[in-house]
Amino acid sequence: GAVVSQHPSRVICKSGTSVKIECRSLDFQATTMFWYRQFPKQSLMLMATSNEGSKATYEQGVEKDKFLINHASLTLSTLTVTSAHPEDSSFYICSASGQTYTEAFFGQGTRLTVV
Amino acid sequence: GENVEQHPSTLSVQEGDSAVIKCTYSDSASNYFPWYKQELGKGPQLIIDIRSNVGEKKDQRIAVTLNKTAKHFSLHITETQPEDSAVYFCAARSYNKLIFGAGTRLAVHP
Repeated sequence: GAVVSQHPSRVICKSGTSVKIECRSLDFQATTMFWYRQFPKQSLMLMATSNEGSKATYEQGVEKDKFLINHASLTLSTLTVTSAHPEDSSFYICSASGQTYTEAFFGQGTRLTVV
Repeated sequence: GENVEQHPSTLSVQEGDSAVIKCTYSDSASNYFPWYKQELGKGPQLIIDIRSNVGEKKDQRIAVTLNKTAKHFSLHITETQPEDSAVYFCAARSYNKLIFGAGTRLAVHP
């Protein structure tokens, strides 16, 4: 299967600061990337869908000004959590799919802790 | 929108036994049904998938069946091993979005 790399795997930040998470497709062109949030012992909740070169489409209830998504190239998407607060602490996971791989492959996830 | 229900939430089996996890979906337009395995602290790993034009698919010890009429699909793991212990998620793709079930925590005891 395809390889999706997510970085960093863990990050601790202070309340009020911003954090950027990167998601890269290493061996295929990802026309679509998805960002999920996962709370402990719960399922994956889709936050937004981004198509390369277009604005992201956010799910209902997800603040687009707080969770900034950029998908400027076919191999990289970024999620920036702005003005982070403790309630933003969670496991964030990206996935990518493309024309070569229509399946969705996931990154390793990023554990964000806001203190 | 699509809604995916998954059962059971937890499953405990002895090594060598079979494990079955079932999912139902609501959107008849969904056409792709993957299964993911997630280990603690890691992202989900695609283990098998099935498309709506196929009723069954098998890959070594893992098989998936799909009943489009009833809108349900199942994951079958035979000859379970301790390393199969993880959380398993089913999903259904609707309008290019993957909607996930709540997950099944599988424990395989030696």
